[in-house]
Amino acid sequence: SQTIHQWPATLVQPVGSPLSLECTVEGTSNPNLYWYRQAAGRGLQLLFYSVGIGQISSEVPQNLSASRPQDRQFILSSKKLLLSDSGFYLCACRTGLAGVSYNEQFFGPGTRLTVL
Amino acid sequence: AQSVAQPEDQVNVAEGNPLTVKCTYSVSGNPYLFWYVQYPNRGLQFLLKYITGDNLVKGSYGFEAEFNKSQTSFHLKKPSALVSDSALYFCAEARGGKLIFGQGTELSVKP
Repeated sequence: SQTIHQWPATLVQPVGSPLSLECTVEGTSNPNLYWYRQAAGRGLQLLFYSVGIGQISSEVPQNLSASRPQDRQFILSSKKLLLSDSGFYLCACRTGLAGVSYNEQFFGPGTRLTVL
Repeated sequence: AQSVAQPEDQVNVAEGNPLTVKCTYSVSGNPYLFWYVQYPNRGLQFLLKYITGDNLVKGSYGFEAEFNKSQTSFHLKKPSALVSDSALYFCAEARGGKLIFGQGTELSVKP
């Protein structure tokens, strides 16, 4: 089964600084990859979705961007952080065809980002 | 409009009692439905899913869920709650390769 790694685990950054969060997946190939943000310990917001290398779908307009330079690597970035970017960022992985939905997503341990 | 609803922000149960965490969905046709659990400062863990077939689905840690098409519900259940079941629970519906999550229900099990 797949294992999802995220780093760093926690991050405190000043407003206006850049951001790079990394997610890597082991134990599978050609995964569908997702970035979520969870604010205030509750609701999950899908930020980005990728079905393959270089293929990124943005779900909401925001201050963030995503890239997938390798099959099992997914990076979340920002050029200038805002206070509202604070939250718990989760990477998830799903095997199977892009449009087929019955396979479950598996989640990484998350990155806690605090923007001051 | 929200397609997955968890009507209770919090559910309180005494240890040893049965528990139910409610979820309703709104998609027409045959939905793919999931339950996840999240412990504090951790990622989500998959519990179970309904794809097709038997309406009662069994999952991890003794949890089960009942799919009810006429009521468009997919409630999570456990016959005997444990203190260690205290966590945040999410219901989700799959759509187009993505998951639509409910807002989550905080389950608190007291000894």
